[in-house]
Formats: sequence, structure tokens, C-alpha cells
Amino acid sequence: DGGITQSPKYLFRKEGQNVTLSCEQNLNHDAMYWYRQDPGQGLRLIYYSQIVNDFQKGDIAEGYSVSREKKESFPLTVTSAQKNPTAFYLCATSLPGQGQDTQYFGPGTRLTVL
Amino acid sequence: QKEVEQDPGPLSVPEGAIVSLNCTYSNSAFQYFMWYRQYSRKGPELLMYTYSSGNKEDGRFTAQVDKSSKYISLFIRDSQPSDSATYLCAMTTMGYSTLTFGKGTMLLVSP
Repeated sequence: DGGITQSPKYLFRKEGQNVTLSCEQNLNHDAMYWYRQDPGQGLRLIYYSQIVNDFQKGDIAEGYSVSREKKESFPLTVTSAQKNPTAFYLCATSLPGQGQDTQYFGPGTRLTVL
Repeated sequence: QKEVEQDPGPLSVPEGAIVSLNCTYSNSAFQYFMWYRQYSRKGPELLMYTYSSGNKEDGRFTAQVDKSSKYISLFIRDSQPSDSATYLCAMTTMGYSTLTFGKGTMLLVSP
């Protein structure tokens, strides 16, 4: 079964805790992305990685961290420095250099801070 | 002026209607244009993509790009209740890997 998996589907965090969201893909795509989606805000880019061991900040990177140790995995850590972390988090992948950088999305993780 | 503008809706239509969803943009360097469909509490799924200007048709869906007006459209013929979702437009420049998204239009198709 190919595709992008995100876990967990729902995550609850107490204030002051760090949490890590998982994103795994078996599409053999080079690039991976993390977005945050809030009602009425659309998708906002947090971090992206075009190659293993390299990543770049997106528009709203403050309070988040990532790693890209394997091509298949791009975990996102929401740190206690993120002031308003309750949101729907989406991971995406793409295969750059194919003429159009179409992104494919995972099912998402809904994070709620208690 | 925001880079990509999209009316949030909701747009309510009866089953069988022709639906027109639109985005305007300001960056003339955008070359690739996509439409995603997102059901509630799910990840977006790619619906259509087009390169530069012109039309592309896939079943009941037609994507149209007018670069001279910086305007893209998605038409849905014979709309169905299962088309009820949020539709996001997205675009990018040549050789650049991040997408710029519109905020999405919510479509409601009533039986």
C-alpha cells in the first residue's frame, strides 16, 4: 500500500510539552513538506526538505523543528515555544525536477493543546 | 495585495448545476497551476494541474488558466453532493519547489 502516512491522527498536548508528529512516505519522493492549516487561513508552510540531511524554513517556522535523516521520514516537533499550536498539520511530498512540482498530501494530524 | 486570492464561500448550488471556482494571483512568474479538493478533516487531494495558459479537461472537471488576466478557474459540470468539499488553488514558478495556495472555497452541493 503506497502513499504518505501521518501519525497519530489525533494528538493532545499539555501546555509546555514538546510533541513530535510523524510523516512517512514510500513514494520515493525527494522533497517533503510540513503545513499548518487553521480555519480561514489556508495552508501555511512550516518547513520543507528537498534532500536528506537538508531542510529550509517556511513562512511560519518559529516554534517548530524538523529532521530529515532518511528519505522516507520527515518528523515535525512542535515545541513549547509555539504559542498557538492547536491546528491541523499536513505533510506533503513531491518529486522536483519533473516539470511540475505537484505535491501529494498525507491524511493529516489534528493537534489540540489542553 | 495577497499573492493568491480565493473567495472562501460557501458556495451553495443544487445537484446538477455547473460550478465555477476561481482564483486570481499577482505574481506573473507563476507557470504551474493546480486544484486540490479537500474533504472535511482529510488531507487535500490533487484534482487537476495545468502548465501555463489554456484548458484541461478530466471528466466533469475543466481547469482553465488565463495568464494575461492572472486568473484561473475550475469548472465542475453536473455537480454531485459528493463534490461538496473545499477547493484549493495552488501555483508555483518554473523550477521552484514550494507552492503558493489560495485559502480555499467551500462548495456545498444539495440533493
